[in-house]
Amino acid sequence: GAVVSQHPSWVICKSGTSVKIECRSLDFQATTMFWYRQFPKQSLMLMATSNEGSKATYEQGVEKDKFLINHASLTLSTLTVTSAHPEDSSFYICSAGSGNGREQYFGPGTRLTVT
Amino acid sequence: TQLLEQSPQFLSIQEGENLTVYCNSSSVFSSLQWYRQEPGEGPVLLVTVVTGGEVKKLKRLTFQFGDARKDSSLHITAAQPGDTGLYLCAGVAGGFKTIFGAGTRLFVKA
Repeated sequence: GAVVSQHPSWVICKSGTSVKIECRSLDFQATTMFWYRQFPKQSLMLMATSNEGSKATYEQGVEKDKFLINHASLTLSTLTVTSAHPEDSSFYICSAGSGNGREQYFGPGTRLTVT
Repeated sequence: TQLLEQSPQFLSIQEGENLTVYCNSSSVFSSLQWYRQEPGEGPVLLVTVVTGGEVKKLKRLTFQFGDARKDSSLHITAAQPGDTGLYLCAGVAGGFKTIFGAGTRLFVKA
């Protein structure tokens, strides 16, 4: 149980284009999902908290107009990187919160490369 | 600002050695998780500790939550090359507000 998938697992796009990343909880409903960014050999940096049916809460320094988050259902959240630039290249990981409010179950991550 | 200091940040040891990773904070957490992450993959939950002083064992891994619920440790006995990876501690302050440590990158040499 507690399986979270992400799609795509990797993507290469040109500068200026937009990329959408999907995060799905496969065997449970997640009212809360999280989006993280991870640079090489570093820990996770929380970008935003996504709540089903409401606007996402962004961490300080994260541009909400650049990183669009939609949590349309209890099993799906999407992150769209708009007008991507090479500095947006990173490993993006989503997680879904467990029902008890403690654990997060992580997706396998999406490696984004912007050329 | 809540911080969770994790140490050491990097550890390279020989197969069969023991090691301990520490996470310390001045804040109290309602629970604390340990995750393991391999390159190119998402973190995988190893354990959750909730009660102060709690000790949990997972095969050769022993996890302890401090009495005051401000710190935790992960001890690995007789490390194996398969234990290689990034170990992350994460403290939950409440309502999913999670603070991640910087991570400990472990390399076990055969």
